[in-house]
Amino acid sequence: GENVEQHPSTLSVQEGDSAVIKCTYSDSASNYFPWYKQELGKRPQLIIDIRSNVGEKKDQRIAVTLNKTAKHFSLHITETQPEDSAVYFCAAKTGGGADGLTFGKGTHLIIQP
Amino acid sequence: GAVVSQHPSWVICKSGTSVKIECRSLDFQATTMFWYRQFPKQSLMLMATSNEGSKATYEQGVEKDKFLINHASLTLSTLTVTSAHPEDSSFYICSPRDPTSNEQYFGPGTRLTVT
Repeated sequence: GENVEQHPSTLSVQEGDSAVIKCTYSDSASNYFPWYKQELGKRPQLIIDIRSNVGEKKDQRIAVTLNKTAKHFSLHITETQPEDSAVYFCAAKTGGGADGLTFGKGTHLIIQP
Repeated sequence: GAVVSQHPSWVICKSGTSVKIECRSLDFQATTMFWYRQFPKQSLMLMATSNEGSKATYEQGVEKDKFLINHASLTLSTLTVTSAHPEDSSFYICSPRDPTSNEQYFGPGTRLTVT
């Protein structure tokens, strides 16, 4: 099955700086790569996703890049704000729908004021 | 996004008892339901996948006789933790898939504490 590795496990950045979280996946059949933000005790919230036919996607301060050849994808957050502090998870799945999302281990992002 | 409800939001039970968690997809018919478990400071781990009207498929290491999943309708799935033990204490999250969009949504989760 799919295996998703995520780094770093903890990331501390100064407010206003950029944050980058990286993930790799093992199954070349995976073609959907979402990123989730999870606050303590809450459900994961989808913040951005990318499909395998696209190399990059941006939504305001958040961007995701995908390198299918290397099987890795990254989340970029620019101009970080205190409310960006949370745990972020990457995930991967195939497009068929039969398989559920496989999650990375998560990154605890800390924005230092 | 889609509306998914989960009940109860939290429950405390004694060791050896059973607990049922309900998950409802309120604005679409979920042909597939995924159940995840999340221990403190860990990631979401897929426990099982169920398709409406058929038996659930369990991930390796998840006991099917302990975690009973029922997906009798397209809008309701239940997870029953039988003979609960303290090590079953976790955050359980359902995740229905909308077949129209193929999107996977998440319930608000159920915090189970077994004493």
